[in-house]
Amino acid sequence: AQSVTQPDIHITVSEGASLELRCNYSYGATPYLFWYVQSPGQGLQLLLKYFSGDTLVQGIKGFEAEFKRSQSSFNLRKPSVHWSDAAEYFCAVGGSGGGADGLTFGKGTHLIIQP
Amino acid sequence: DTAVSQTPKYLVTQMGNDKSIKCEQNLGHDTMYWYKQDSKKFLKIMFSYNNKELIINETVPNRFSPKSPDKAHLNLHINSLELGDSAVYFCASSRIDNEQFFGPGTRLTVL
Repeated sequence: AQSVTQPDIHITVSEGASLELRCNYSYGATPYLFWYVQSPGQGLQLLLKYFSGDTLVQGIKGFEAEFKRSQSSFNLRKPSVHWSDAAEYFCAVGGSGGGADGLTFGKGTHLIIQP
Repeated sequence: DTAVSQTPKYLVTQMGNDKSIKCEQNLGHDTMYWYKQDSKKFLKIMFSYNNKELIINETVPNRFSPKSPDKAHLNLHINSLELGDSAVYFCASSRIDNEQFFGPGTRLTVL
């Protein structure tokens, strides 16, 4: 069965500091990987996705993620966080089989930005 | 020109009632989903519909029944609401690559 682990429930980072959110996945075939962000009271917005090719993917809002097959990881990074980045971040995995399987989400990491 | 819309945004009701949540997408996607986000923010897929046919029916109570009148709409009907049904319900649609486009969510509160 597929699964996603986000080991950090909460992370606190100072504004302007770098950020790395961890994600490990378990999937039996070639995974499609996603990072979504959810601001308080809002829906989910796609930050970036990995399907194949270059293992370093760029997303919106200055985020990037690196796929490491050997470590089953897809960590999210940002070189300098802004107060507006405070939100809940979800890593998700799915397959490519016609897209009807949906996604399996991690439990999320709550990002707090200190001034 | 909202991509995925849901109504209502908030739903407050008594235990035992029956309620529906509506979802529409104008992206031309073939697959639509319902996800449930619990009080700890955990998101889990409930149903998937592809071209109006149910593909996934995860282990949700049969009090929950999805209905898709056409491939742009996927409604969720809930019978005999229980306290534990309180959650945020998200509708989503996807292309063949499985990228999910989410609606704004419906916050259901059962009293």
